[in-house]
Amino acid sequence: SQTIHQWPATLVQPVGSPLSLECTVEGTSNPNLYWYRQAAGRGLQLLFYSVGIGQISSEVPQNLSASRPQDRQFILSSKKLLLSDSGFYLCAWSVSGVSGNTIYFGEGSWLTVV
Amino acid sequence: AQSVTQLGSHVSVSEGALVLLRCNYSSSVPPYLFWYVQYPNQGLQLLLKYTTGATLVKGINGFEAEFKKSETSFHLTKPSAHMSDAAEYFCAVYGGYQKVTFGTGTKLQVIP
Repeated sequence: SQTIHQWPATLVQPVGSPLSLECTVEGTSNPNLYWYRQAAGRGLQLLFYSVGIGQISSEVPQNLSASRPQDRQFILSSKKLLLSDSGFYLCAWSVSGVSGNTIYFGEGSWLTVV
Repeated sequence: AQSVTQLGSHVSVSEGALVLLRCNYSSSVPPYLFWYVQYPNQGLQLLLKYTTGATLVKGINGFEAEFKKSETSFHLTKPSAHMSDAAEYFCAVYGGYQKVTFGTGTKLQVIP
């Protein structure tokens, strides 16, 4: 069966520091990968999605970037964090053409920028 | 392009009462529709989905939803609320290009 893991689960970072959140999927090949952000009291905002290695689409101009160095690895980064980057970050995966592109989520990572 | 509107950011029901969470969608292509549940500090868990075929879809934990094309709706129901149903619920639509659009969520409170 397929599993998705993301880490770290929580982190507190000072303003201006770098960020790296990592996500891996097991049990499937060539998944679509996603990073969402969920700010307090708000819905899900799609940040990036990737349909293959090195293919990244950005949905929202911002202080973040994403990379996909391997088929089942997706990394969310920032060079200098802002207070507004605080939130709950969710990695997710799907497989095109299977069950209507059903998205499955990881456990989430809480980021607090102080 | 597609969009989702969830009516009511907060819904309160008594334990044992009917749960009704509303979702309306907009899609330029035949949609695939989803409901997810999120418990505090956790990721989203798939409750149920509609892709094709039967318009009444049954999911986990006794929830079901009905796809009504004429009303562009996909409301989530459960006949009898349980305390463990207290969570946030998200409706979502897939309209192509590997992207799923989510609603802003509805927090369900169950009153004992």
